[in-house]
Amino acid sequence: DVKVTQSSRYLVKRTGEKVFLECVQDMDHENMFWYRQDPGLGLRLIYFSYDVKMKEKGDIPEGYSVSREKKERFSLILESASTNQTSMYLCASSNAPIWSSYEQYFGPGTRLTVT
Amino acid sequence: SQELEQSPQSLIVQEGKNLTINCTSSKTLYGLYWYKQKYGEGLIFLMMLQKGGEEKSHEKITAKLDEKKQQSSLHITASQPSHAGTYLCGPPAGSSNTGKLIFGQGTTLQVKP
Repeated sequence: DVKVTQSSRYLVKRTGEKVFLECVQDMDHENMFWYRQDPGLGLRLIYFSYDVKMKEKGDIPEGYSVSREKKERFSLILESASTNQTSMYLCASSNAPIWSSYEQYFGPGTRLTVT
Repeated sequence: SQELEQSPQSLIVQEGKNLTINCTSSKTLYGLYWYKQKYGEGLIFLMMLQKGGEEKSHEKITAKLDEKKQQSSLHITASQPSHAGTYLCGPPAGSSNTGKLIFGQGTTLQVKP
């Protein structure tokens, strides 16, 4: 069975803290994605990666960075957490070419609260 | 940009009943994917429809693409509590060169035992 895991289901951090969200997939997929999901705004792409050490900005990269040192792991970093980054963070992976990556496998999500 | 409207927005059915969810596009549909999301969890890919008239099934869930109507319908037969969640449709054009998924506003389904 395909599996994408995320390091935490729930996380509470203080404003200004550096936050690391980890995502691991065991399917040897080339592509990995970080989204955030907010009520009324739907799913928004933060960053994606199509290969090890390669990363591309999505629609809302401000305040975030990513790291992909190994194929199976894609990390999302909040450099200095702010309250407007309180959200559900979802990691996904796929193996199709990026332009046809409509079949994505998602992790369970991390609900981050920044106080 | 292509807009997708799902109907109904929410639905409550008795276990065992059949139901249909529709996804209508503002532009020509060249394909459509369906996902499901349980509350507080990640999304699950159900199926991708790639041409008019195509029909696919995933367990007791069947979806069909009607290009002429610019619409896809998702039908659940003999609903079970495990079918509860939010169903989301999206056009493959959203993948473009970023791979991002885009969706309609979703249909939330509750199944009463």
